[in-house]
Amino acid sequence: ELKVEQNPLFLSMQEGKNYTIYCNYSTTSDRLYWYRQDPGKSLESLFVLLSNGAVKQEGRLMASLDTKARLSTLHITAAVHDLSATYFCAVDGGGSNYKLTFGKGTLLTVNP
Amino acid sequence: GAVVSQHPSWVICKSGTSVKIECRSLDFQATTMFWYRQFPKQSLMLMATSNEGSKATYEQGVEKDKFLINHASLTLSTLTVTSAHPEDSSFYICSAVGGQGNQPQHFGDGTRLSIL
Repeated sequence: ELKVEQNPLFLSMQEGKNYTIYCNYSTTSDRLYWYRQDPGKSLESLFVLLSNGAVKQEGRLMASLDTKARLSTLHITAAVHDLSATYFCAVDGGGSNYKLTFGKGTLLTVNP
Repeated sequence: GAVVSQHPSWVICKSGTSVKIECRSLDFQATTMFWYRQFPKQSLMLMATSNEGSKATYEQGVEKDKFLINHASLTLSTLTVTSAHPEDSSFYICSAVGGQGNQPQHFGDGTRLSIL
């Protein structure tokens, strides 16, 4: 059974601080996705990571993938209030199987 | 960018009513669509995988006769919640994958279903 574990599940941080969200997975798919969800809204795609060592950055968010460790990280730099949301990582089944298994999500609250 | 339209956004109806939710890919052909369900403060749970022209594949524990899925074309999939009851109240989200691999799934805006 494919498992995707995210931690922490809850993260409260001050503006300007840095932090990392971790995502461990058990499959060999190695296609990993990060999504953002605002309250009452659907999912917004942030990053797609496809290979070992992949690193992608958008603004204050940077995601990386270590396929050997089956670990992805989402690093937040100098957090701002607008980043407050729930962040999900997800892995698909590999090959032509795009069925996603999600982590439980990390509820990020950035305080002034 | 790729857009997936989901309709309606909100549904409030009486117990016993059947509700149809549409999911359309607006600017690409979706070879596969997925239907998810999300309870408050929880993650997304995959309900079924929908492929154009074939029967949907349901996840374990999802009642096929309760949640009818039809994928009539490469741009449209529908989910019908039949004889809905209060426990079916949830946030339903569809997503679509095009022919190109290694692309993120594009999610619809979701449908909030409330059964009274």
